[in-house]
Amino acid sequence: SQQGEEDPQALSIQEGENATMNCSYKTSINNLQWYRQNSGRGLVHLILIRSNEREKHSGRLRVTLDTSKKSSSLLITASRAADTASYFCATDAYFGNEKLTFGTGTRLTIIP
Amino acid sequence: DAMVIQNPRYQVTQFGKPVTLSCSQTLNHNVMYWYQQKSSQAPKLLFHYYDKDFNNEADTPDNFQSRRPNTSFCFLDIRSPGLGDAAMYLCATSRDSGTGVGNQPQHFGDGTRLSIL
Repeated sequence: SQQGEEDPQALSIQEGENATMNCSYKTSINNLQWYRQNSGRGLVHLILIRSNEREKHSGRLRVTLDTSKKSSSLLITASRAADTASYFCATDAYFGNEKLTFGTGTRLTIIP
Repeated sequence: DAMVIQNPRYQVTQFGKPVTLSCSQTLNHNVMYWYQQKSSQAPKLLFHYYDKDFNNEADTPDNFQSRRPNTSFCFLDIRSPGLGDAAMYLCATSRDSGTGVGNQPQHFGDGTRLSIL
């Protein structure tokens, strides 16, 4: 299965600190995406990084991708209480990319 | 605003009683997905429509079926819900312009939480 694994499963930090979560996957990909899910809500797309990219920024978010290690990281800088959510990585398959496979998720709690 | 809307947000049904969940989109996306998500787990793809073409995941139970009468609407039918089918059901859409959907974001509705009595 392509399903990614995220690490850590849960993370609690103080407001203002940086949060880093990691995603590992098993097979070659074309693209990797990160999503946020607030409790009881749907997923919201955050950022997409292509397999030929190594780093991407969007506001307070920084994503890195290491295809040789089949891993990605999401860094949220200067965290806010509103960042409390679950974060999922999702990958497409190198061949046949009509769908995404989601990782197991990291539950992030920001302590005010 | 263009969006994905799921109705109802909460659905309670009895064990074995058929239930239908609905999803509509104003994004005019050609691909629609249904996911099942259980507590603290990743969304699990049940099936997706690429235009009118239906694609079932190998491990989706026969109990689950779907209909897409037009671009805007998609339905999830659970013929005989069991206790194990209690979950959040998420609908999502994406657009494929011919280069694959992996390079496009998926847009999710807020889900329907299904409870089985």
